[in-house]
Amino acid sequence: GQNIDQPTEMTATEGAIVQINCTYQTSGFNGLFWYQQHAGEAPTFLSYNVLDGLEEKGRFSSFLSRSKGYSYLLLKELQMKDSASYLCAVTDSNYQLIWGAGTKLIIKP
Amino acid sequence: DVKVTQSSRYLVKRTGEKVFLECVQDMDHENMFWYRQDPGLGLRLIYFSYDVKMKEKGDIPEGYSVSREKKERFSLILESASTNQTSMYLCASSSLPASGLGVDTQYFGPGTRLTVL
Repeated sequence: GQNIDQPTEMTATEGAIVQINCTYQTSGFNGLFWYQQHAGEAPTFLSYNVLDGLEEKGRFSSFLSRSKGYSYLLLKELQMKDSASYLCAVTDSNYQLIWGAGTKLIIKP
Repeated sequence: DVKVTQSSRYLVKRTGEKVFLECVQDMDHENMFWYRQDPGLGLRLIYFSYDVKMKEKGDIPEGYSVSREKKERFSLILESASTNQTSMYLCASSSLPASGLGVDTQYFGPGTRLTVL
């Protein structure tokens, strides 16, 4: 079967760095997305990785290793507004998106 | 900016009622999707559409149907609502990649929180 694993919840301190991991087992791979979802709101796009390596976008970076079936989202200089759920989603060989359950990130002052 | 709107933010219905959830996007996207989101579970795809009058079943289509009469509008229909359909329903749209293959970024509406009593 197809599976996406992420930690259910993480806690970090304002100003610090946090890494949210995502591992996947899917039938084929055509890219990995990270989305941010604030409570009660729609998911919004953060990043897309299709090749191995690190993609940096401001305070957020996303890393992919296809051989290991692994990605992480790195958030630097954490702000209170970063408190949200972070969703990992993988595109399989049929170009269908398989979603993880999301990681709820709690930022403490 | 891409805008995806959904007809209601909150909806309360009775068991057995027919429920219509409407979704409209303003970016001329070819692809539209309906998901449900429940605590502890990932987004689960109910139905999707790659073109007008075209629909494909997702992972959990049972108890649902859809309609896409116009490119910008994708409706989700619960023929006879049941309590296990209480959930957050999210609509999304995306364009078709220029190559014709692959998956482009999905843009989501604000969601409809449906409660079936």
